[in-house]
Amino acid sequence: DVKVTQSSRYLVKRTGEKVFLECVQDMDHENMFWYRQDPGLGLRLIYFSYDVKMKEKGDIPEGYSVSREKKERFSLILESASTNQTSMYLCASSFPAAGQGEQYFGPGTRLTVT
Amino acid sequence: GESVGLHLPTLSVQEGDNSIINCAYSNSASDYFIWYKQESGKGPQFIIDIRSNMDKRQGQRVTVLLNKTVKHLSLQIAATQPGDSAVYFCAEPPPNTGNQFYFGTGTSLTVIP
Repeated sequence: DVKVTQSSRYLVKRTGEKVFLECVQDMDHENMFWYRQDPGLGLRLIYFSYDVKMKEKGDIPEGYSVSREKKERFSLILESASTNQTSMYLCASSFPAAGQGEQYFGPGTRLTVT
Repeated sequence: GESVGLHLPTLSVQEGDNSIINCAYSNSASDYFIWYKQESGKGPQFIIDIRSNMDKRQGQRVTVLLNKTVKHLSLQIAATQPGDSAVYFCAEPPPNTGNQFYFGTGTSLTVIP
């Protein structure tokens, strides 16, 4: 079975802190994604990566950065956390298949910024 | 712009009844759709997909119908069970974007025992 793991299920951070969210997948997938999920807004794409050291902005990249040093690991970084970044963060991975192919999701990290 | 939306944010059904969850899309060029299920405290999980050259696809207790004329998808769950209680999303890839997907806001299905 494909497994996507995220480093924390719950995190509480203070405003201004630098926050790292880690995601690891074990299926040798080229594609990896970070979403945030908020009530009434669904899943919104923050950043994605199609290869090691490659990254592309999604729909809402402001306030975030990412790192992909190894194929299996995709990190989301909040440079200076703010209260409006309180959300559920979901990581996903998939094989490359232009416009098709399911994404496998991790369990999510619920981040609270106080 | 493109959008993927759901008609109802919540749906309650009696155990054993059939459930129908709807999804509208605006991009007539979309040729692939996926339904995901998200249980409380978990990430979304793939349920079923359908390509635009099909009108219907069946899985285990689930059927997806695609009406390209009105740009509408539906997910039908037969004999709904308590374990079907979850949020259901439809997703479509925007054109020419590789593996990105647009996700709808989701419909929360509650199964009443």
